[in-house]
Amino acid sequence: DTGVSQNPRHKITKRGQNVTFRCDPISEHNRLYWYRQTLGQGPEFLTYFQNEAQLEKSRLLSDRFSAERPKGSFSTLEIQRTEQGDSAMYLCASRGTASSYNEQFFGPGTRLTVL
Amino acid sequence: AQKVTQAQTEISVVEKEDVTLDCVYETRDTTYYLFWYKQPPSGELVFLIRRNSFDEQNEISGRYSWNFQKSTSSFNFTITASQVVDSAVYFCALSGIQGGSEKLVFGKGTKLTVNP
Repeated sequence: DTGVSQNPRHKITKRGQNVTFRCDPISEHNRLYWYRQTLGQGPEFLTYFQNEAQLEKSRLLSDRFSAERPKGSFSTLEIQRTEQGDSAMYLCASRGTASSYNEQFFGPGTRLTVL
Repeated sequence: AQKVTQAQTEISVVEKEDVTLDCVYETRDTTYYLFWYKQPPSGELVFLIRRNSFDEQNEISGRYSWNFQKSTSSFNFTITASQVVDSAVYFCALSGIQGGSEKLVFGKGTKLTVNP
């Protein structure tokens, strides 16, 4: 049973460019979460999916951010017109319905640097 | 609003010392879950433990133990006989149940350095 995987692991981009990250959850996990972590801070919730439905979005998720999970398996997070303030680690987590206690299992993250 | 406070930003100990990481939380939910995660230098968050708000029994797992006290809204984590491999950032997190939100609210973390 493989864990949550994220690609790419690192992304360096110039301000104004668009970037897209991918998350593959643990097999058969129907819930998928995105968090953002800046240096010296704890992860902050961005959004979550149950299967393909996006059920909750944080106010942190500005209109430049969009997340999808079209087939209820992998998910993508796109940031349009990146800004230097978007530089952070983007973490993906998943959990299955077998766990009723909201135990989320995290991937290694994608570190974004906006120059 | 939910909030998690980890007042200790950094702790440094010598190997074999015991160390306690503090966590204080705020929530209006009557039922909630508390978690501890470990983030080693590699960056991946590793789940350590989950505790339900209606279960105040303390828990021990090997060198790790957790003390949940609802009266003081605290969920502290103790590592006994610390080892160099315990060096990491440790996060306490809270998840409410009411309202259907599934987000985890994290503290800012405590960086633990265990020196040989």
